[in-house]
Amino acid sequence: AQKVTQAQTEISVVEKEDVTLDCVYETRDTTYYLFWYKQPPSGELVFLIRRNSFDEQNEISGRYSWNFQKSTSSFNFTITASQVVDSAVYFCALSEGGGSYIPTFGRGTSLIVHP
Amino acid sequence: EAGVAQSPRYKIIEKRQSVAFWCNPISGHATLYWYQQILGQGPKLLIQFQNNGVVDDSQLPKDRFSAERLKGVDSTLKIQPAKLEDSAVYLCASSVSGQGAYEQYFGPGTRLTVT
Repeated sequence: AQKVTQAQTEISVVEKEDVTLDCVYETRDTTYYLFWYKQPPSGELVFLIRRNSFDEQNEISGRYSWNFQKSTSSFNFTITASQVVDSAVYFCALSEGGGSYIPTFGRGTSLIVHP
Repeated sequence: EAGVAQSPRYKIIEKRQSVAFWCNPISGHATLYWYQQILGQGPKLLIQFQNNGVVDDSQLPKDRFSAERLKGVDSTLKIQPAKLEDSAVYLCASSVSGQGAYEQYFGPGTRLTVT
């Protein structure tokens, strides 16, 4: 069973538009961790954010913000005023496993920002 | 601080041949991961090491894939014999102790083509 679902395969926006990337997860564990990674065209995955299951506070970092809602098992990522450099594939990941924390990645959302 | 190093960056082999990939994690990182990323998909965890012990290898095709982590530092992943469906990018990542609960730092990957 897929544990991390990124239903949006590809999103295309024009520069300066806001865009939200969706992530829905499933787990039976009460302690787990959620992550977002960015994979630019160069190919190397870059860590963006980590959240534990006990911290539902939203987070903002510059133009990036994350909305974690346990009630809907979602961890969505919003980019405000998108830029061409934001073009990349974005992956949501879940680490669970009763102490071992085995990571599972979603299939990714390809974001294309047009000038 | 040096990042995760991987070699080779590219490899082309014929089916039924063998191949090996090498990874040197960030100094001091106890957890090391090998992923397979097929074009258009998210990274799929093959094996996770904590120091030189295996935490999870449930998705490693053990009839053809093997991995080891010498002295809890460098790691090698081997495929013998390779199949066409093994064509993918093989990613190595590392994180501080705490296993999959912490953010991962990825290497540039090895792109394998099996013909």
